[in-house]
Amino acid sequence: DGGITQSPKYLFRKEGQNVTLSCEQNLNHDAMYWYRQDPGQGLRLIYYSQIVNDFQKGDIAEGYSVSREKKESFPLTVTSAQKNPTAFYLCASTSRGPERYGYTFGSGTRLTVV
Amino acid sequence: AQSVAQPEDQVNVAEGNPLTVKCTYSVSGNPYLFWYVQYPNRGLQFLLKYITGDNLVKGSYGFEAEFNKSQTSFHLKKPSALVSDSALYFCAVRDSTGGFKTIFGAGTRLFVKA
Repeated sequence: DGGITQSPKYLFRKEGQNVTLSCEQNLNHDAMYWYRQDPGQGLRLIYYSQIVNDFQKGDIAEGYSVSREKKESFPLTVTSAQKNPTAFYLCASTSRGPERYGYTFGSGTRLTVV
Repeated sequence: AQSVAQPEDQVNVAEGNPLTVKCTYSVSGNPYLFWYVQYPNRGLQFLLKYITGDNLVKGSYGFEAEFNKSQTSFHLKKPSALVSDSALYFCAVRDSTGGFKTIFGAGTRLFVKA
């Protein structure tokens, strides 16, 4: 079955450490997105990519970095510059086709600073 | 600029009663509107979308939504609520004038009491 796989499901980060969250899709979707979810704040866009080797900053990109070397993969690195990284991170993808505008989401990664 | 408002943090209904979760939006072009549902520690699941055509859109699990252009609203409805409908619901909008960014509301928690 096609879908988006996020790993790991739970991740613990020490102060000053960089961590990378994985996102892989086998839907042949062109566009991929990273959102951060905090209680009561809904989803906030971190980065998005419409095609391979290209990505744009979202609303809260500071302290995060991404790469898009393959169509299927869009990893997110949470750097030590992100001062409050504890949150639920969601990866999503969508087709560029006019008939499909909804997102498919992964099951999320919960990141906790210890 | 695009925006989405979900005016209620929580909606409480009794099982078997009709439910409504409210959403209003603002876009510069024609809106593409979506509802998603999230269960605890999971990603969002697509429920339904409005792109064009009939103002009443039917989606998954018996949910429907009514697009009202004059009131810029897209309220989610269900004739008879189930306890299993208890979850977090997100309204989202994309502007038809271009771009791949979708803006999400802050979410409304639906609690259905048996």
